[in-house]
Amino acid sequence: ELKVEQNPLFLSMQEGKNYTIYCNYSTTSDRLYWYRQDPGKSLESLFVLLSNGAVKQEGRLMASLDTKARLSTLHITAAVHDLSATYFCAGGLGGATNKLIFGTGTLLAVQP
Amino acid sequence: DAGVIQSPRHEVTEMGQEVTLRCKPISGHNSLFWYRQTMMRGLELLIYFNNNVPIDDSGMPEDRFSAKMPNASFSTLKIQPSEPRDSAVYFCASSLRNNSPLHFGNGTRLTVT
Repeated sequence: ELKVEQNPLFLSMQEGKNYTIYCNYSTTSDRLYWYRQDPGKSLESLFVLLSNGAVKQEGRLMASLDTKARLSTLHITAAVHDLSATYFCAGGLGGATNKLIFGTGTLLAVQP
Repeated sequence: DAGVIQSPRHEVTEMGQEVTLRCKPISGHNSLFWYRQTMMRGLELLIYFNNNVPIDDSGMPEDRFSAKMPNASFSTLKIQPSEPRDSAVYFCASSLRNNSPLHFGNGTRLTVT
């Protein structure tokens, strides 16, 4: 059974600083997703990582995937307040299914 | 594209009542998922459909929960009878194909008193 763990669960950081959110998964997963959720809102897809070594960047966010280590990271560069949200990673189980198992989420609070 | 549409946005009901949540996936998407989100348990996959057929319902908590997808543009999640511990935000999501991201609806916030 695929299990997905994120750390930290809560991250308070100052504007302008860099930080990384980590996502570990327990068994083979052929794809890894990152989502953002604002309070009281739905989940918004950020990145889809489909292969070992995949790296994707959008603005101040960069996601990478290391399938051998079963690890994905979401790196935040020069954080701004607008990035405050909860970030989820989700692992796909592979095969003919698009079933995703979500991590616990990381609540990011960027302080001015 | 209107995205995934869920109704109602909020539902307050008394314990023992039947609750029906509705979802319209994005047109052309062939997979549909029902998730439940709570503070304690996070995001849990309840059931998902491929081409209107239920593939995996192992996340459905009890027989009180049932889900149907009578056609490609509509799905329901029913709870009968409802209990206070069912209070949560229920999300519906759809995807185009494997490796595509899931597109989530705005969710239904269910409160059972």
